[in-house]
Amino acid sequence: RKEVEQDPGPFNVPEGATVAFNCTYSNSASQSFFWYRQDCRKEPKLLMSVYSSGNEDGRFTAQLNRASQYISLLIRDSKLSDSATYLCVLPIGGDKIIFGKGTRLHILP
Amino acid sequence: NAGVTQTPKFRILKIGQSMTLQCTQDMNHNYMYWYRQDPGMGLKLIYYSVGAGITDKGEVPNGYNVSRSTTEDFPLRLELAAPSQTSVYFCASSTGPEAFFGQGTRLTVV
Repeated sequence: RKEVEQDPGPFNVPEGATVAFNCTYSNSASQSFFWYRQDCRKEPKLLMSVYSSGNEDGRFTAQLNRASQYISLLIRDSKLSDSATYLCVLPIGGDKIIFGKGTRLHILP
Repeated sequence: NAGVTQTPKFRILKIGQSMTLQCTQDMNHNYMYWYRQDPGMGLKLIYYSVGAGITDKGEVPNGYNVSRSTTEDFPLRLELAAPSQTSVYFCASSTGPEAFFGQGTRLTVV
C-alpha cells in the first residue's frame, strides 16, 4: 500500500450538495494530518488540520479514523468556489511530509 | 514575510539547454522540497533536503540535480532540457506538519 492514497476523481457535485472524500494512509504512527487545497495553476495552501478529535471549520469537517487508517473531508452546502483539488498530507517523521496526489472537485451550477 | 520565493515564474527552454530554478525561504525551515506537476496530475517529488548539505532523491529525480549549501536556498538544476520536463515546478519548505509553497515556475521545453 502506498503511504498516502487518494481517489483522483473528479467528483462532479451540484452546488449546494454535500460531498466527502477520503485519504488512506499506511503509516500508523502519524499523529496529525492535514488537508490542502490547490486551485488551478496555483500552489497548494493549507486548508485545515486533522487531529484525533477531528476538526470543523464552517462548512468543512475533517475527521480521522485510526482503525481504518483514513482521514476524510466533508464539505456541506458546496459553493462554486469550492472547485479545486484537495490534497491530504501525512507527516512521516521529523519535519518530513508526504502529499497525496489529490482529489479533484468540480461544483456544478 | 516573504515565505518561499521561486524564480523565474515562467521560462521557455530549447531542447538540450540547461537552467537553474531558484528557491529561497526565510523561515529557517530544515526541510525543503522540489515537486513537479503535470497538467491535471498530482504533485511528484523530485528531490528533497533535510538540511544544509543533505539532499535525497524523490520519486522522479532523473534529469535533475539539487544542492543545499545553505538553509535558505535549494536550487534545482536541469542539465539537458527535454520536452518531458515541461511542467510546473513547485518548491516548498516545511516545519512540523505544515508546508509552505512557492508560487511555481512554469517551464516549457520546445
